[in-house]
Amino acid sequence: AQTVTQSQPEMSVQEAETVTLSCTYDTSESDYYLFWYKQPPSRQMILVIRQEAYKQQNATENRFSVNFQKAAKSFSLKISDSQLGDAAMYFCAYRSAKSSGDKLTFGTGTRLAVRP
Amino acid sequence: GAVVSQHPSRVICKSGTSVKIECRSLDFQATTMFWYRQFPKQSLMLMATSNEGSKATYEQGVEKDKFLINHASLTLSTLTVASAHPEDSSFYICCAMGSTAITTDTQYFGPGTRLTVL
Repeated sequence: AQTVTQSQPEMSVQEAETVTLSCTYDTSESDYYLFWYKQPPSRQMILVIRQEAYKQQNATENRFSVNFQKAAKSFSLKISDSQLGDAAMYFCAYRSAKSSGDKLTFGTGTRLAVRP
Repeated sequence: GAVVSQHPSRVICKSGTSVKIECRSLDFQATTMFWYRQFPKQSLMLMATSNEGSKATYEQGVEKDKFLINHASLTLSTLTVASAHPEDSSFYICCAMGSTAITTDTQYFGPGTRLTVL
């Protein structure tokens, strides 16, 4: 079974600074997807960024980028120019690329605080 | 973009009553829906996966007679908590995945339902 580990329960960053959230995963599969989701106080899950394992290029979405290290099974999220609205719970998630493996496996989450 | 709604957003009920939560995909057809449960300050735990017209597949440890899932149409799935007890109090989140070129391979979450059983 796949597992996702987020070793940082809480992180804090100064507004306008950069922060990196860590995520490692364990799988025996070679084809899969990785995601970062944001859950603000409203509890609505919001997709931040996704990465296909077969792509070597790291995904980027505006101020959000990932460092995907397939051999190390590491998938960190970098938030640049942090904003107060970035404060939320961040979950790393794994999904198999098999047709029968649509479910997401989530990490335990990292709570990010942004200091003004 | 694809929108998923959940109703109700909050429900408070007495122990022993049954509670139904609806999950709707508003602008796409959801061939697969997932139901998650989230305890305070914890991660999301998958309860079951349902495909339209088929019986739901439950994760290990989830009582199928307790958590009844129906996915009768491509836009509606329901989760019924039968004879709810205080330990069933939690935040329930549905997630829908479609079959179109735009919605396939992407999962869209509903806003969640907070259930409190007194």
